[in-house]
Amino acid sequence: GDSVTQMEGPVTLSEEAFLTINCTYTATGYPSLFWYVQYPGEGLQLLLKATKADDKGSNKGFEATYRKETTSFHLEKGSVQVSDSAVYFCAPGSNYKLTFGKGTLLTVNP
Amino acid sequence: DGGITQSPKYLFRKEGQNVTLSCEQNLNHDAMYWYRQDPGQGLRLIYYSQIVNDFQKGDIAEGYSVSREKKESFPLTVTSAQKNPTAFYLCASSLGGVQDTQYFGPGTRLTVL
Repeated sequence: GDSVTQMEGPVTLSEEAFLTINCTYTATGYPSLFWYVQYPGEGLQLLLKATKADDKGSNKGFEATYRKETTSFHLEKGSVQVSDSAVYFCAPGSNYKLTFGKGTLLTVNP
Repeated sequence: DGGITQSPKYLFRKEGQNVTLSCEQNLNHDAMYWYRQDPGQGLRLIYYSQIVNDFQKGDIAEGYSVSREKKESFPLTVTSAQKNPTAFYLCASSLGGVQDTQYFGPGTRLTVL
């Protein structure tokens, strides 16, 4: 089945720092790729997605590019804010299912 | 507003009791999903349903049961056979295409006393 390896956390940054969270996956077929974000005590919210190779998903200053040759979908943001503190999940989606990474806890300090 | 509701937000049960978690959506989505979340383990799929009156086991279905009698509802029963039921349970739905986005409810935190 599908699997995903996500950068271990926790990650602690100062406000306005650059963020990268690495994600690599294995999947049968040609999956769509998703990043979800979870704030404390809440459900998951879609952050961005990409459905084919070289597509770039973007939202709220976050970006990730679908790299088929390296089976990667790394999340980046140029300048993080305190409000970005949350857990981030990478997830390839195929065969009607999502496979989630273990999540990366990001804490941004003022 | 369209969305997914889960109730209750917090649930306590005694060991050996069955308990049912509610999930309702008004997004007119065909597919619905149940996940379990434990600290440090991400989300694991329990059951999913692509259409009314049909559902499939996910990766950790043992000790759980579901029904899908209506399009908008997908209740999950945690039975006494589930050996470690304390967890955060998340329901999701999607339009139903192979690679459609899943939208999540706020979750139910179940604690077994």
